Amino acid sequence: EVQLLESGGGLVQPGGSLRLYCAASGFTFSNYGLSWVRQTPGKGLYWVSVISGSASNTYYADSVKGRFTISRDNSKNTLYLQMNSLRAEDTAVYYCAKGLGFGDLMVMDVWGQGTTVTVSS
Amino acid sequence: DIQMTQSPSSVSASVGDSVTISCRASQGISSWLAWYQQKPGKAPKLLIYASSNLQTGVPSRFSGSGSGTDFTLTISSLQPEDFATYYCQQASSLPLTFGGGTKVEIK
Repeated sequence: EVQLLESGGGLVQPGGSLRLYCAASGFTFSNYGLSWVRQTPGKGLYWVSVISGSASNTYYADSVKGRFTISRDNSKNTLYLQMNSLRAEDTAVYYCAKGLGFGDLMVMDVWGQGTTVTVSS
Repeated sequence: DIQMTQSPSSVSASVGDSVTISCRASQGISSWLAWYQQKPGKAPKLLIYASSNLQTGVPSRFSGSGSGTDFTLTISSLQPEDFATYYCQQASSLPLTFGGGTKVEIK
């Protein structure tokens, strides 16, 4: 069974940093692109970043570019999101999600359960 | 960025009803559109990709159509487990963008 399990969320002060983790199982990790998508409580979905299977390509939403870094360790089947210079508006549930097909960066067929990030003083 | 607009924002329906949700892209995206279902406190679930392709395991009462800028998701014969929020997402270009969601509520 394909599974994604996020961790690393928590309460952090504005300007602080946090690293999110997404542990994957049940598929050939290096063959698939992976995304981070966030959701503000009671609001809609907002795409944050995506990384290709080989990690050679990364893309970011403008609102996080220069502050967030997506990476992956294919030997550990783990996806990361390093979040720096956090702002109140980054408060959200963060989901990691797997690309639908080999190399697909655009459609997400499996999602984790989410980890909550709260930025507040 | 491509803006996705869903309508209506909410709809009330009864079990057995047919429901249609619309999604409009701010520019043409061919058939690069996906639909997701989300229940409270849960992660989104992929229903349909490439406008009309049903994801494995999704009941056939869900169907999608459209191309270019206008798309629809239809749920025929609504079941109790279908009451949820539905999102469209364009898969044409980065950044990926989602519609604002349509909440399907019990009448």
